[in-house]
Amino acid sequence: GENVEQHPSTLSVQEGDSAVIKCTYSDSASNYFPWYKQELGKRPQLIIDIRSNVGEKKDQRIAVTLNKTAKHFSLHITETQPEDSAVYFCAASKYGTSYGKLTFGQGTILTVHP
Amino acid sequence: EAGVVQSPRYKIIEKKQPVAFWCNPISGHNTFYWYLQNLGQGPELLIRYENEEAVDDSQLPKDRFSAERLKGVDSTLKIQPAELGDSAVYLCASSSRGAGPGELFFGEGSRLTVL
Repeated sequence: GENVEQHPSTLSVQEGDSAVIKCTYSDSASNYFPWYKQELGKRPQLIIDIRSNVGEKKDQRIAVTLNKTAKHFSLHITETQPEDSAVYFCAASKYGTSYGKLTFGQGTILTVHP
Repeated sequence: EAGVVQSPRYKIIEKKQPVAFWCNPISGHNTFYWYLQNLGQGPELLIRYENEEAVDDSQLPKDRFSAERLKGVDSTLKIQPAELGDSAVYLCASSSRGAGPGELFFGEGSRLTVL
């Protein structure tokens, strides 16, 4: 089955700095890569996703890049703010019979210091 | 629009006792999931339903865990008997299949502590 590795496990930045979280996946058939944000005690919520036919996607201060050859994808947050502090999870899945079966990474605890 | 609703939010039980969690997904969503989230880890799929049919339960420990989806809407996850290692957050989620993969809408989770 799919295996997703996420790094780093913790990330501490100053407000205004950029933050980058990286994930690698094992199944070359995976073609959908979402990122979820989970604030303490809250539900995970989708913040951005990318499909395998696209190399990069941006939404205001966040962006995701995908390298299918190397089987890795990254989340980039620019101009970080204290409210960006949360746990971020990457995930991978594929169309077909496994549709919707997201395999999550272990998570990255992001702390943005004011 | 109401979100995914789970109950109870917190449950503390003695080992070997039974426990049940309930979830009401978003109306109209036809795909439903139960995930397990251990402390400091990402969610892990336990079971996935398409409407009323369980299409992937390969990760569900069937000796002690059971799940059912009532009339293709509400769902209940049961553990009997509970073990110490079952302490975790149990998340349910739903999604609309549409034309391809899409967003999973999670509930706030049921935190289980087994003593």
